[in-house]
Amino acid sequence: EAGVAQSPRYKIIEKRQSVAFWCNPISGHATLYWYQQILGQGPKLLIQFQNNGVVDDSQLPKDRFSAERLKGVDSTLKIQPAKLEDSAVYLCASNKGGAAGYSPLHFGNGTRLTVT
Amino acid sequence: AQSVTQLDSQVPVFEEAPVELRCNYSSSVSVYLFWYVQYPNQGLQLLLKYLSGSTLVKGINGFEAEFNKSQTSFHLRKPSVHISDTAEYFCAVSDRWGLRDDKIIFGKGTRLHILP
Repeated sequence: EAGVAQSPRYKIIEKRQSVAFWCNPISGHATLYWYQQILGQGPKLLIQFQNNGVVDDSQLPKDRFSAERLKGVDSTLKIQPAKLEDSAVYLCASNKGGAAGYSPLHFGNGTRLTVT
Repeated sequence: AQSVTQLDSQVPVFEEAPVELRCNYSSSVSVYLFWYVQYPNQGLQLLLKYLSGSTLVKGINGFEAEFNKSQTSFHLRKPSVHISDTAEYFCAVSDRWGLRDDKIIFGKGTRLHILP
């Protein structure tokens, strides 16, 4: 099966600019996650979708970050305006849904964002 | 709330020597436990997981981990490492009784350096 696809692979922007990331999960996976991985830290969950509904966005900085998953398939994560501290790798993951132990997460290769 | 502590940010090991990567967790409820590996320029992939039953769990590439409930630990071990094991290793926990038991919390990661 095809894996989780993310684009772009790399992005460099200046602070206060906008940026968008795209994710295409594995076909049939109901749950989609966006994680932020800052250098030297573990992935931090930003938002979790179940089909096209938001399950958890408690750690999403909603004043500048937004995400959507139209039609319950692809998803986009947007940052507007970007800050220096947003420099990180943004990981998309998906699974079939349900308990994480019985439906492992599949990760994309990530988008590395550098804000200058 | 759950949390994961990986005590070592970097672990250097000679090739063919044994290695142990330490992980401790905290949670007020029962948990699922995971180890993920991230090879350079790749996304995270599942190495092994503990759901229930035997406390010794075997994963891919010769890795194993032991769940110790009294010490709230889930240390990762390999009896003989290879240069190809160079990667970052993340311990993760998921609440198995919560409303959203598919949410995974990651530790900060341990970078494994294999020395020739």
